[in-house]
Amino acid sequence: GQNIDQPTEMTATEGAIVQINCTYQTSGFNGLFWYQQHAGEAPTFLSYNVLDGLEEKGRFSSFLSRSKGYSYLLLKELQMKDSASYLCAAFTNAGKSTFGDGTTLTVKP
Amino acid sequence: DAGVTQSPTHLIKTRGQQVTLRCSPISGHKSVSWYQQVLGQGPQFIFQYYEKEERGRGNFPDRFSARQFPNYSSELNVNALLLGDSALYLCASSAGQLNEKLFFGSGTQLSVL
Repeated sequence: GQNIDQPTEMTATEGAIVQINCTYQTSGFNGLFWYQQHAGEAPTFLSYNVLDGLEEKGRFSSFLSRSKGYSYLLLKELQMKDSASYLCAAFTNAGKSTFGDGTTLTVKP
Repeated sequence: DAGVTQSPTHLIKTRGQQVTLRCSPISGHKSVSWYQQVLGQGPQFIFQYYEKEERGRGNFPDRFSARQFPNYSSELNVNALLLGDSALYLCASSAGQLNEKLFFGSGTQLSVL
């Protein structure tokens, strides 16, 4: 089966660092994606992990541990515009994808 | 280059009717996937098409069907609409079949009354 868990809501302060965790149980797991979705808009790609370890992209980093079924998205130097829903998605080698319900991040001044 | 385009933007139907949603992928992308997103939840995978063949199917009833055309555009059909089909329907394209970064369209907001 497929199951993705991530926190429903998080709050952080402008300029701070926040870590959004995601755990997954996915048959035929092949990769883990993170997407950002602002209210009323389509999801946009943030990062992608296939192998264990950390992928860094500017203010955003993502980590994957395949053995633990665990990933996190790290956002540094938070800005007000980072307030959005962050979706964790696991992809399988059969072309299927499972998205979590998203973590709504609120950045406060 | 244009991104993923979907039409219509909004649609209102009544129970029992049928609906067809359309999607044009990014030029050069051969894979199209369809998702259903209910407010407050993540996108739920419906179908993936690659090179005009169905490559993946989610847990949706047979009322949902799709196809991909030679130009890689795609249609999603839903028959015998139910109130619970009200949702945002997202189309995403990618260059390849597996583990490719998805580019999402803005979606079609379907309301079933």
